[in-house]
Amino acid sequence: DQQVKQNSPSLSVQEGRISILNCDYTNSMFDYFLWYKKYPAEGPTFLISISSIKDKNEDGRFTVFLNKSAKHLSLHIVPSQPGDSAVYFCAARSAGGTSYGKLTFGQGTILTVHP
Amino acid sequence: NAGVTQTPKFQVLKTGQSMTLQCAQDMNHNSMYWYRQDPGMGLRLIYYSASEGTTDKGEVPNGYNVSRLNKREFSLRLESAAPSQTSVYFCASSEGGRYGYTFGSGTRLTVV
Repeated sequence: DQQVKQNSPSLSVQEGRISILNCDYTNSMFDYFLWYKKYPAEGPTFLISISSIKDKNEDGRFTVFLNKSAKHLSLHIVPSQPGDSAVYFCAARSAGGTSYGKLTFGQGTILTVHP
Repeated sequence: NAGVTQTPKFQVLKTGQSMTLQCAQDMNHNSMYWYRQDPGMGLRLIYYSASEGTTDKGEVPNGYNVSRLNKREFSLRLESAAPSQTSVYFCASSEGGRYGYTFGSGTRLTVV
């Protein structure tokens, strides 16, 4: 029972264009959604997050959109740069109960930005 | 700015051997986690410790044990390694908040 899903294993875009990474979730008991970026041979690093009461959060070239009715979030990178090439994980944080604070991760999407 | 430190970075084991993966954090975080990463499976939680003195099972705990030695250290033990435990293991710590976890750089384990 995968509660957080990234249905696209990979995405390839041209430098300067927009990258859109998608994530779906099935559980409404999440209070934050996060995106992590992972380079080879390194641990994942925090990129951007959004509260469940918001629908958009922007940080420089990165914007996360949350559509609660569709249980869908997306990460937009504009403009994409070759250094953005990495694996991107979306994650959802449990809002309460014994699972409070725990993150559930999606499968990851490999982003390749071509010069 | 060490953050989360994992040792070793690489390890090859024979089936049936045992080993302990070490993790230490210097951010005074209460919660610590062990994840494994496998192709197409994302990051799956093995065990976690919400605070010093407590540990709980995650999504894939079979074949593993953990010890929260003190607030800084959280170790993961494989008592009898199996090829299915070939994976990259990540330790993480957290103090809650909108930034989620801080991860270590990982241990790449191969069981032959």
